Amino acid sequence: DQQVKQNSPSLSVQEGRISILNCDYTNSMFDYFLWYKKYPAEGPTFLISISSIKDKNEDGRFTVFLNKSAKHLSLHIVPSQPGDSAVYFCAASPPTGFQKLVFGTGTRLLVSP
Amino acid sequence: DTEVTQTPKHLVMGMTNKKSLKCEQHMGHRAMYWYKQKAKKPPELMFVYSYEKLSINESVPSRFSPECPNSSLLNLHLHALQPEDSALYLCASRDIFGGDRTYEQYFGPGTRLTVT
Repeated sequence: DQQVKQNSPSLSVQEGRISILNCDYTNSMFDYFLWYKKYPAEGPTFLISISSIKDKNEDGRFTVFLNKSAKHLSLHIVPSQPGDSAVYFCAASPPTGFQKLVFGTGTRLLVSP
Repeated sequence: DTEVTQTPKHLVMGMTNKKSLKCEQHMGHRAMYWYKQKAKKPPELMFVYSYEKLSINESVPSRFSPECPNSSLLNLHLHALQPEDSALYLCASRDIFGGDRTYEQYFGPGTRLTVT
């Protein structure tokens, strides 16, 4: 049972344009969401997060939007740069003591010059 | 400093070997995690240590044995592995007292394990 889903396995965007990566979840108990970026042969790198009490969080070129009623979050990257090419995972955490992260299946973003 | 280090970077072992993976962090984080990641799949949680005590074991086979000697170190002892255990093994840590940042886990670069 995949509780966190990223339905687009890949996304191609031109440099300078907006990249929008989507994530859907099924468990309404999740109360915190995170995005990680992963280059090949490296560990995931934390990018940005959002609490369920907010609907938007922004950090430089990265903005995460949360729609709780739709159980949907998205990551916007503006402007996209070739160095953003990587696999992006969304992750969700239930309000338990150990903050287990449930990861989505990932979206491979390719930003072309 | 948000660095988590893992050694070795690559490991090839036979099915009868015993080996260990090591993870270290000096951020004062009191929660540490082992994940397994297969190609084109998300990381899967294996173990969670909180205050050097095993808090979560996600029904991992006993051929994987975790150990947390102190608050900075996490080991994963491997014995009698199967070829299907070949994967990237990731360590992560989390600041339990991090306030707004307490959910964020910081990952190491991983150990690429191949079982022959």
